[in-house]
Amino acid sequence: AQRVTQPEKLLSVFKGAPVELKCNYSYSGSPELFWYVQYSRQRLQLLLRHISRESIKGFTADLNKGETSFHLKKPFAQEEDSAMYYCALVPYNNNDMRFGAGTRLTVKP
Amino acid sequence: DTGVSQDPRHKITKRGQNVTFRCDPISEHNRLYWYRQTLGQGPEFLTYFQNEAQLEKSRLLSDRFSAERPKGSFSTLEIQRTEQGDSAMYLCASSPAGNEQFFGPGTRLTVL
Repeated sequence: AQRVTQPEKLLSVFKGAPVELKCNYSYSGSPELFWYVQYSRQRLQLLLRHISRESIKGFTADLNKGETSFHLKKPFAQEEDSAMYYCALVPYNNNDMRFGAGTRLTVKP
Repeated sequence: DTGVSQDPRHKITKRGQNVTFRCDPISEHNRLYWYRQTLGQGPEFLTYFQNEAQLEKSRLLSDRFSAERPKGSFSTLEIQRTEQGDSAMYLCASSPAGNEQFFGPGTRLTVL
């Protein structure tokens, strides 16, 4: 069964420090992977997806099929990055998006 | 606001009552999804529509749950004979072709 694991429920870093939010998945095929973010009092929104290979708000994520990981990274965290981050997977030829439990990132001044 | 809207935003009901939630997707989005989110968890997929056809249903969607999208526009999710375990945030999302989903603000259900 497809599964997304975010091992850290809480992550706290200081402003300007690098940040990495971990995401591991289990799926035997070729998934499509996403990071969604939810800022305080806002709705869930897409941050980035692996097929676009973009950097959004300074965040990047690389799909590592060997390690089945899709970690989210930013070299210099900002206070406005404080939010809840969810990793999500869509199996090939499917519409059933599976979310991890989320990581709450706090960036301290 | 041209995003996905959901109504009501909050619903408090007594165990055993029926509740219905509405979702208005972004116009031109032919795909619509329902999720349930409980405290400390990510959203869990419930069901998916393409236009008016309900194409996928999770095993989480028991017989007490039913969803419709009669004209391929708005959708409703009904829960019959609510139980305390149904208390959760119910999220709706829509998407055009492709997998990027746009989420609504959610309906928070509390079953007393």
